[in-house]
Amino acid sequence: QVQLQESGPGLVKPSETLSLTCTVSGASVTNGGYYWSWIRQPPGKGLEYIGYIYFTGSTNYNPSLKSRVTISLDASKNQFSLKLNSVTAADTAMYFCARDPRISGAPSTWGQGTLVTVSA
Amino acid sequence: DIQMTQSPSSLSASIGDRVTITCRASQSISSFLSWYQQRPGEAPKLLIYSASTLQSGIPSRFSGSGSGTDFSLTISSLYPEDFATYFCQQSHSSPRTFGQGTKLEIK
Repeated sequence: QVQLQESGPGLVKPSETLSLTCTVSGASVTNGGYYWSWIRQPPGKGLEYIGYIYFTGSTNYNPSLKSRVTISLDASKNQFSLKLNSVTAADTAMYFCARDPRISGAPSTWGQGTLVTVSA
Repeated sequence: DIQMTQSPSSLSASIGDRVTITCRASQSISSFLSWYQQRPGEAPKLLIYSASTLQSGIPSRFSGSGSGTDFSLTISSLYPEDFATYFCQQSHSSPRTFGQGTKLEIK
């Protein structure tokens, strides 16, 4: 079955860059039927779409984060990645990667999530 | 951005009850609406997409309806495992946005 797993540092200092990777198993990131998404959830709060990438390299970012976000895809490793620069405490959140069918726009397979804390 | 407003924000109910959660979009989103369930410490789980299509493996006691700006999620008879937080999400326009969540608690 399809599984997604986030990895990366759990603690990032303010003003630095948050970097996370999502490793996909049971499916290929080059499958044209899906977008590959990043979504975050601050502790005790709601969900926020960060953005997504298509296998062609085309991306779509939330305008609220667009100036700080880069999502990339590595087909050779079957992974996609998130970089968020100039982080502040407001970026502390659980970060989820997800597989998002193009036909519905509804992420149907999620990673378990990884908590990233921004603190000195 | 399209704003998604859920009501109620919290709801107390008993096992076996029928409950309905509503979600209103700030502009028409056709049927580009999904519902998720999230239990504490877990990732969200997709229940319904395209407003009314049940995701594979989801029990038939869950159903969705609506189009345009007004949508609802109904659980026909609550099971213990249904007590969780529910979110709606629109995929009509970028950025995709979520409702603030409805916490369903045991009465």
